[in-house]
Amino acid sequence: AQRVTQPEKLLSVFKGAPVELKCNYSYSGSPELFWYVQYSRQRLQLLLRHISRESIKGFTADLNKGETSFHLKKPFAQEEDSAMYYCALSGRTSGSRLTFGEGTQLTVNP
Amino acid sequence: GAVVSQHPSWVICKSGTSVKIECRSLDFQATTMFWYRQFPKQSLMLMATSNEGSKATYEQGVEKDKFLINHASLTLSTLTVTSAHPEDSSFYICSAQTSVDTQYFGPGTRLTVL
Repeated sequence: AQRVTQPEKLLSVFKGAPVELKCNYSYSGSPELFWYVQYSRQRLQLLLRHISRESIKGFTADLNKGETSFHLKKPFAQEEDSAMYYCALSGRTSGSRLTFGEGTQLTVNP
Repeated sequence: GAVVSQHPSWVICKSGTSVKIECRSLDFQATTMFWYRQFPKQSLMLMATSNEGSKATYEQGVEKDKFLINHASLTLSTLTVTSAHPEDSSFYICSAQTSVDTQYFGPGTRLTVL
């Protein structure tokens, strides 16, 4: 079975501070990991995926297979980063079906 | 590009009636669409995978006779909640998958069953 765990439901930081949203997963094969973001009153949208190895809006995430983690990081948080962040996983055995974590509500205070 | 729409955005119905929700990919063709359900302050739970021209694949615990899915074209999938009851009240979200396996999400439909 595949599972995604986001241990923090709420995370609050000050503007300019570094931020890390944790994500751990459980999957027996080779997973594909994603971070989705949902801003207030907007739809869910893809932030980044591990195979792209790109930085979006200053966010990066590295897949650590040894620790089965895919933490999302940004060195200097901005107020506009305040949103709900979901980590998600898909695997070859599940096709393109996504399993989502519970989400972390990030608040960046001025 | 890659816009997904849902209609209606919200609906209120009486217990026992059926409600149809549409999911459309506006500027791309999607052979696969997904239907999710989200309860307040909870994550998205996949209900079913909808493939164009074939029967939907339902997740364990999801009643296929309760939640009818039709994927008649490459740009439209519908979810019909049959004989709705108050416990079916939820936020229903669809996504459409592009050829590069990226899912784009609709804005969701808020269903309230009285």
